[in-house]
Amino acid sequence: GAVVSQHPSWVICKSGTSVKIECRSLDFQATTMFWYRQFPKQSLMLMATSNEGSKATYEQGVEKDKFLINHASLTLSTLTVTSAHPEDSSFYICSAAEPGQGAGEQYFGPGTRLTVT
Amino acid sequence: GQNIDQPTEMTATEGAIVQINCTYQTSGFNGLFWYQQHAGEAPTFLSYNVLDGLEEKGRFSSFLSRSKGYSYLLLKELQMKDSASYLCAPMDSNYQLIWGAGTKLIIKP
Repeated sequence: GAVVSQHPSWVICKSGTSVKIECRSLDFQATTMFWYRQFPKQSLMLMATSNEGSKATYEQGVEKDKFLINHASLTLSTLTVTSAHPEDSSFYICSAAEPGQGAGEQYFGPGTRLTVT
Repeated sequence: GQNIDQPTEMTATEGAIVQINCTYQTSGFNGLFWYQQHAGEAPTFLSYNVLDGLEEKGRFSSFLSRSKGYSYLLLKELQMKDSASYLCAPMDSNYQLIWGAGTKLIIKP
């Protein structure tokens, strides 16, 4: 199956700083990647859909100026959490679908656990 | 609105069979996915049903009834490593996955 990597796997940062998370599709080209956030014992929450070469599509309630998404190439999407606060502490997961597979069979990265102190 | 209903938690014995039920309501329907998620890890794809009936894949099978808005995941010959959360995720008319909180499955020896 397709492989998606994510970096870093965990990060601790101070309140007010910014953190960048990278998502890479290792063995396929992903025109679309998805960014999720998951709080403990809760469901995955789609934050935004990242489209290569164009602006990301954000879900309702997600601040696009706070969660900056860049999809510069067919294998790389980045999520930057700007001016992080403790309430942004969460598990951030990216995913991608192989071309032609549709948005359902998504391959997930291992996730990034962000802790803001 | 869109809604998914799964049991919060289930317990089963190693070697046994367990069925995890899921009922859903979505705006349109483009298939239903089951994912497995171990604690602290990202989800992994298990199965996809778009037509009514049973899809079998090794120890795991998934069933769909579109008219009833119902699906189940059947796990046979349970192993300790099957302890995880199982997420039922229907896809709506916008081809967007709708995620519930999942069912935490605990396997006991």
